[in-house]
Amino acid sequence: AQKITQTQPGMFVQEKEAVTLDCTYDTSDPSYGLFWYKQPSSGEMIFLIYQGSYDQQNATEGRYSLNFQKARKSANLVISASQLGDSAMYFCAIEGGFKTIFGAGTRLFVKA
Amino acid sequence: ETGVTQSPTHLIKTRGQQVTLRCSSQSGHNTVSWYQQALGQGPQFIFQYYREEENGRGNFPPRFSGLQFPNYSSELNVNALELDDSALYLCASSQETYEQYFGPGTRLTVT
Repeated sequence: AQKITQTQPGMFVQEKEAVTLDCTYDTSDPSYGLFWYKQPSSGEMIFLIYQGSYDQQNATEGRYSLNFQKARKSANLVISASQLGDSAMYFCAIEGGFKTIFGAGTRLFVKA
Repeated sequence: ETGVTQSPTHLIKTRGQQVTLRCSSQSGHNTVSWYQQALGQGPQFIFQYYREEENGRGNFPPRFSGLQFPNYSSELNVNALELDDSALYLCASSQETYEQYFGPGTRLTVT
């Protein structure tokens, strides 16, 4: 069975600063993918970044980077230079065995 | 390129009724997944269809069923609605890649 744990219900960050959102996972699948999605108050789910379990390098997409530590089963999202528009819910998810399991999410508040 | 669309946007049903939600996948995508998102929670995986066959299912009872059509559009059917079925229902399509494209969702309210 797969499981995602996001221990931060809410986070505050000052505009232009970096923030790390935590995600730990558990899975018995030897091959899996890890994702981060953003969900603004409007409700749509926006794909941010992906990390494959066999990828040697940490994934980066613009201001987003994924700090992947396989031995620790963690996949933290780092947002650099936060913007007011980054205020949203952020979900970590794991895909494997034809299932995608999401965490409970972290609500990020960016302060001006 | 057309994105993922869902219909209807909002729906109100009475306990015990049946409902059908529809999803039109992004052009060229052969895989669709359905999720239930209760208020304040993360999406819960219902099931996934690949080329018209269900190939993955979450912990949902059989009264949640689905179909995927040859054009890769999809339906989610829920029978015997319960109050706890009130949620945002999301579908997501993909084409044998890791990136899922989500639709805007259908907000279902069961009274």
